[in-house]
Amino acid sequence: KAGVTQTPRYLIKTRGQQVTLSCSPISGHRSVSWYQQTPGQGLQFLFEYFSETQRNKGNFPGRFSGRQFSNSRSEMNVSTLELGDSALYLCASSSQGKVQYFGPGTRLTVT
Amino acid sequence: GESVGLHLPTLSVQEGDNSIINCAYSNSASDYFIWYKQESGKGPQFIIDIRSNMDKRQGQRVTVLLNKTVKHLSLQIAATQPGDSAVYFCAEAQFGNEKLTFGTGTRLTIIP
Repeated sequence: KAGVTQTPRYLIKTRGQQVTLSCSPISGHRSVSWYQQTPGQGLQFLFEYFSETQRNKGNFPGRFSGRQFSNSRSEMNVSTLELGDSALYLCASSSQGKVQYFGPGTRLTVT
Repeated sequence: GESVGLHLPTLSVQEGDNSIINCAYSNSASDYFIWYKQESGKGPQFIIDIRSNMDKRQGQRVTVLLNKTVKHLSLQIAATQPGDSAVYFCAEAQFGNEKLTFGTGTRLTIIP
């Protein structure tokens, strides 16, 4: 099976702009989770989607949002970008209750 | 690796030796624990997991030990190889809840 794929791999945006990141889970996996990884805060949970519904949400401001489509693909959106949003954004998919497998991440740089 | 925290613990081990990476978790309600390996430029890669009804679980060259009394988790890697050099993260969760809480990570360097 193909692994989790994320697009784009690298992105440079300016403060105040918005960005949309995409994640395609492993075939058959219906749960998709998003994480932010920074040197200062490490890996932090953003949110999780299952069957197009957000089931869990981390402690991030409302500027961070996501959605999941009927084919389990997921997108996350960050509006009004801040410098502190520069990070590696990781997507993970799982078959419910089982191991989460991560994609390679999208490296977002906000200038 | 992608996580170069200011206070990332480091461990250097001679090639061929065994290594032990430790992790303390905080949530007594956590009943599912996972170890991930992250190499530079890549996402975390699953190594091994363990549920709280077990104390030990073995994989290929890896063993995870769980001590629920002191909320401590360890990953043992036998006969380390250069390819084992990476940042290792422990993560905790409540089984069935997809939210993973990650530790800060440990950078393992294998010395040839």
